[in-house]
Amino acid sequence: EDQVTQSPEALRLQEGESSSLNCSYTVSGLRGLFWYRQDPGKGPEFLFTLYSAGEEKEKERLKATLTKKESFLHITAPKPEDSATYLCAVQADGQNFVFGPGTRLSVLP
Amino acid sequence: DTGVSQDPRHKITKRGQNVTFRCDPISEHNRLYWYRQTLGQGPEFLTYFQNEAQLEKSRLLSDRFSAERPKGSFSTLEIQRTEQGDSAMYLCASTGGWGETQYFGPGTRLLVL
Repeated sequence: EDQVTQSPEALRLQEGESSSLNCSYTVSGLRGLFWYRQDPGKGPEFLFTLYSAGEEKEKERLKATLTKKESFLHITAPKPEDSATYLCAVQADGQNFVFGPGTRLSVLP
Repeated sequence: DTGVSQDPRHKITKRGQNVTFRCDPISEHNRLYWYRQTLGQGPEFLTYFQNEAQLEKSRLLSDRFSAERPKGSFSTLEIQRTEQGDSAMYLCASTGGWGETQYFGPGTRLLVL
């Protein structure tokens, strides 16, 4: 069965303090790994798609990387507006997407 | 195109009542997904359509839940005889093909009293 776990469950950073979020997955045939940002009471907002090990994507202060077993979302010099829940999802050989539980990030000014 | 839309955004109902939610996907997307999300959890897959065909349903999906996409465009999700445990955010997403990104709507928040 396809599984996605994320760590840490919650992370509190000071503004400017860089860190990484982890997404570990077990799937049979990865079609794609997706990162989303979700603000309270809203739908997930797309950030990145990664398709193969070694691939990297960047957007502003965020950088996503992918290996055969996990993905990292690196946050460089975060700002308070980066506070949100970050979700990881995989699409494997099956029809649907499997989401992890998310990491709640708080960036304090 | 303005993205995926959902209606209503909020719904409060009494236990035992039926509710129906609507999702309008991005117009050129032929795949549409429904998810349920409870507080502190990631979205949980409910069902999936390719055009008008419902191709997969979660085995966790109760018989009280039914979804349709009659013309391959908008979709509806109905919950019959609602229970307090149905209280959650119901999310809709659409995508254009395999390995392509899902884009989510704003969700419908359901509260069953």
